[in-house]
Amino acid sequence: GAVVSQHPSRVICKSGTSVKIECRSLDFQATTMFWYRQFPKKSLMLMATSNEGSKATYEQGVEKDKFLINHASLTLSTLTVTSAHPEDSSFYICSGQIGEYEQYFGPGTRLTVT
Amino acid sequence: AQSVTQLDSQVPVFEEAPVELRCNYSSSVSVYLFWYVQYPNQGLQLLLKYLSGSTLVESINGFEAEFNKSQTSFHLRKPSVHISDTAEYFCAVRGYGGSQGNLIFGKGTKLSVKP
Repeated sequence: GAVVSQHPSRVICKSGTSVKIECRSLDFQATTMFWYRQFPKKSLMLMATSNEGSKATYEQGVEKDKFLINHASLTLSTLTVTSAHPEDSSFYICSGQIGEYEQYFGPGTRLTVT
Repeated sequence: AQSVTQLDSQVPVFEEAPVELRCNYSSSVSVYLFWYVQYPNQGLQLLLKYLSGSTLVESINGFEAEFNKSQTSFHLRKPSVHISDTAEYFCAVRGYGGSQGNLIFGKGTKLSVKP
């Protein structure tokens, strides 16, 4: 149980275009989902907390107009990277929360901006 | 606020040898503690967690971790590792209660098991 999927697993896009990443909780309802970014050889950095039906809460230093998050249902959250640049290339991971403390992570999406 | 320190960025070991991956944390409030494992090009999987009760927690694949409050540590151990244990391991901490919020990760320890 507690499976989270992400789509796509890999995406390559050109600089200046936008990319949408989907995060789905397959067998549970997640009122809260999180979006992380993982740099090579570094830990996960929380980008934002997404609550179903309300605006996402962004961490300091994360541009909310660049990283658009929508949590339209209890099983789906999307992250749209707008006007992507090569420095946005990274591994993006989402998670869904069950209860107060347990997070279950998706398999990640590798974004490469050329 | 909380922070997590994983002292070793890489740990190479031979198959069937014991291993310990170190994790220390700091926090002004009580915490929940977690170990996650990440296989290459995959997301994180929860390996084990300490919430309360017994300070020694175990996973289904032979790992264990012990919460030591006085030393603010949550080291991960396995008495005999397999090639398949090769992965990156992340220690994480979260304060109690909604306002104590987010899961804070260490920088990870890459475990390489060699035959």
